[in-house]
Amino acid sequence: DQQVKQNSPSLSVQEGRISILNCDYTNSMFDYFLWYKKYPAEGPTFLISISSIKDKNEDGRFTVFLNKSAKHLSLHIVPSQPGDSAVYFCAASADKLTFGKGITLSVRP
Amino acid sequence: GAGVSQSPRYKVAKRGQDVALRCDPISGHVSLFWYQQALGQGPEFLTYFQNEAQLDKSGLPSDRFFAERPEGSVSTLKIQRTQQEDSAVYLCASSLLSRTGGNQPQHFGDGTRLSIL
Repeated sequence: DQQVKQNSPSLSVQEGRISILNCDYTNSMFDYFLWYKKYPAEGPTFLISISSIKDKNEDGRFTVFLNKSAKHLSLHIVPSQPGDSAVYFCAASADKLTFGKGITLSVRP
Repeated sequence: GAGVSQSPRYKVAKRGQDVALRCDPISGHVSLFWYQQALGQGPEFLTYFQNEAQLDKSGLPSDRFFAERPEGSVSTLKIQRTQQEDSAVYLCASSLLSRTGGNQPQHFGDGTRLSIL
């Protein structure tokens, strides 16, 4: 039973355009949500987070949106850059982190 | 360095051997976590330490898995009598505060890739 779902395994976007990465969750006890970025042979790197009391958090080119009623969050990257190409993991926390399977983002020059 | 350090980066062992994986968290971080990441999956929680106390080991898959953090800093994950299904990347993460200290991100090391032949 996957509590955090990233249903699309991959996304390809043109450089300069917006990348939208989606994540759904089932556990209503989750109160903190995070996005991690991972390059091959490296550990996940923290990108941005949002508390369940907020619906939006922005940091530079990265914005995370949380829709609690729909149990859905999304990461927007704008403008997308080739260096953004990586695997992105959505994670949610009640007392421990639960991760999705990840989505591979490819940004085409 | 300032990040989480894990060693070895790669470990190959024969089925039945014992292995030990090391994690050096960020200095001063209270919380330490171990995760197992299978190919094509996200990391899965194994165990949690607050300083030297192992407060949650609910994710350990069997009693062959054992973790310790005796002085509240470096941690070791030991797997006894390894089996092929133990092949995975083992990730360590640390965070500044305890789990009840408020929302905060976990910072990950680069992992140990374990291959059991």
